[in-house]
Amino acid sequence: ETGVTQSPTHLIKTRGQQVTLRCSSQSGHNTVSWYQQALGQGPQFIFQYYREEENGRGNFPPRFSGLQFPNYSSELNVNALELDDSALYLCASSAGTLGETQYFGPGTRLLVL
Amino acid sequence: AQSVTQLGSHVSVSEGALVLLRCNYSSSVPPYLFWYVQYPNQGLQLLLKYTSAATLVKGINGFEAEFKKSETSFHLTKPSAHMRDAAEYFCAVSGRGGADGLTFGKGTHLIIQP
Repeated sequence: ETGVTQSPTHLIKTRGQQVTLRCSSQSGHNTVSWYQQALGQGPQFIFQYYREEENGRGNFPPRFSGLQFPNYSSELNVNALELDDSALYLCASSAGTLGETQYFGPGTRLLVL
Repeated sequence: AQSVTQLGSHVSVSEGALVLLRCNYSSSVPPYLFWYVQYPNQGLQLLLKYTSAATLVKGINGFEAEFKKSETSFHLTKPSAHMRDAAEYFCAVSGRGGADGLTFGKGTHLIIQP
């Protein structure tokens, strides 16, 4: 059974640029959630996709957007990057939305200069 | 709205000693509660999960946690610490609706003294 994978592992961008992060969910999982973890902090919920539809969102601006594909893999897109977007971005997959255990990938570390 | 408070950003124990990491939660509905561990430069690994089936939950690597509704607490314990337990530990809560994602505490860094 393949776990959650994310790409790339590290990324450096400059302010104002756009970035796309990718996540492959664990086999059999139809739900993907994205989190932002700033240095020294706990992860913060960005949004969740269930069967290709966004069905929950945290307190993040619209320049954070996403997609989920028919195979349940997902992308996180961030436009107009700001310095404060520098963080570890974690993807988690689960077999549903109602209290199902979320299994996390290793994350993508984004540095915005 | 849900929230999680982890008391103590750093906890230091001697190898072989009891580990106690504290977590208090706030939730308007009976919650799902989780403990995750994060090793340096890695993602989060689930230690254990409370789903209301039993108040004492046993997890991996010898960890367990007890749900106490009256205290709104879900503290994590391990009878005997090992060097390999040194990591960052996060308590998280999920509402019954599910679509709000997990709300995490700020984490507790566990240091094991030889």
